[in-house]
Amino acid sequence: DADVTQTPRNRITKTGKRIMLECSQTKGHDRMYWYRQDPGLGLRLIYYSFDVKDINKGEISDGYSVSRQAQAKFSLSLESAIPNQTALYFCATSDLQGLPGETQYFGPGTRLLVL
Amino acid sequence: AQTVTQSQPEMSVQEAETVTLSCTYDTSENNYYLFWYKQPPSRQMILVIRQEAYKQQNATENRFSVNFQKAAKSFSLKISDSQLGDTAMYFCAFMIVQGGSEKLVFGKGTKLTVNP
Repeated sequence: DADVTQTPRNRITKTGKRIMLECSQTKGHDRMYWYRQDPGLGLRLIYYSFDVKDINKGEISDGYSVSRQAQAKFSLSLESAIPNQTALYFCATSDLQGLPGETQYFGPGTRLLVL
Repeated sequence: AQTVTQSQPEMSVQEAETVTLSCTYDTSENNYYLFWYKQPPSRQMILVIRQEAYKQQNATENRFSVNFQKAAKSFSLKISDSQLGDTAMYFCAFMIVQGGSEKLVFGKGTKLTVNP
């Protein structure tokens, strides 16, 4: 079984709709991240969380919100989706108890299309 | 601001040959970490190799090795004995550790095609 799972894997929605992307992990990691990937732009950080009570904005947080429901679950919401939020979204985790510069492990990604 | 530059948008190599992907970065920090991730057509992001900036020795993982030049801020990836399964996007990434904060900054990627 995969250590980091994302649901759904693919989603098509309409402009103005609210949508939630979910991430779960069985690695026991404290730190979780949401990234967005656009063609030709690499990955950019949206939000990150170092524990259940800690939420931090990343490079491109406008138009997004997150919820850390438990150590193992981190959800990303688009309150009112717009077409330029069409992208591939990745969740990642890393170990707070590990050494500095710990590796981030990625989920399989969610491809989102906003019409 | 920290930036990562991958100057080769696309590269190709023949199976069994060696290829080097380039990466440069910009930072004024001294404590940081460097990574190469691979993204095959399945779109999964897979760690290839990791390097601590305080280590002079270049990291190696089987057929993958890096040439880390700290003064030049360069972190290239060498793939030896290329295999068809190495076909993927390769992303160089950079992480600064500051006050408990660790964030990855990615380059735009290099698309590598291994030809039979």
